[in-house]
Amino acid sequence: EVQLMESGGGLVQPGGSLRLSCAASRFTFSNYWMHWVRQAPGKGLVWVSRINSDGSRTSYADSVKGRFTISRDNAENTLFLQMNSLRAEDTAVYYCARAISVGGEGIGYWGQGTLVSVSS
Amino acid sequence: QSALTQPASVSGSPGQSITVSCIGTSSDVGGYNYVSWYQQHPGKAPKLLIYDVSERPSGVSNRFSGSKSGNTASLTISGLQAEDEADYYCNSYTTSSTYDRSSTHVFGTGTKVTVL
Repeated sequence: EVQLMESGGGLVQPGGSLRLSCAASRFTFSNYWMHWVRQAPGKGLVWVSRINSDGSRTSYADSVKGRFTISRDNAENTLFLQMNSLRAEDTAVYYCARAISVGGEGIGYWGQGTLVSVSS
Repeated sequence: QSALTQPASVSGSPGQSITVSCIGTSSDVGGYNYVSWYQQHPGKAPKLLIYDVSERPSGVSNRFSGSKSGNTASLTISGLQAEDEADYYCNSYTTSSTYDRSSTHVFGTGTKVTVL
């Protein structure tokens, strides 16, 4: 079964930076598009970013464009999200997720999430 | 990238059928057959129920079905059960409204399903 394990969350001050990681296992990581999705406390799901299988193509939600960078290390089966210039409104559980299928759109598998809190 | 519009809540009695709507635009729901639906129980990660408008992953109950007409997608839950009480979200592939027209995704506002 697909496994995705996020790490790197925590408390950070406004304007600070944080790097999230997602360790993938039990599937061929290098074949799949990967996503980050977030959920503020008590709120709905919000798509954040995605990256193609070889890392050459990325896209972002307008709310994080220019501040967040998605990347991947296919040799280490790991997805990253570098978050800079963090704001209070970035406080959320961040989920790492895998595409439904090779080349498929949509999000099929989710990690358990890591909490990012932005506060002074 | 405005969120897709879902009703805040839908309720039904055990055994009944309910439908959750997801209203978008021709740039997302109406423009692509890449609508997915997710179920989320409190404190848990979302679970995929439907992808590509109406496809059901293996292991998902056939009580869940999806469809689309124009800019509106729908999730129908038949034979409602107590365990179906959860939050439900739609998601669609779309293209960014900014100059680069990059491929992105957008979620719906979410619907709380209550089993009476």
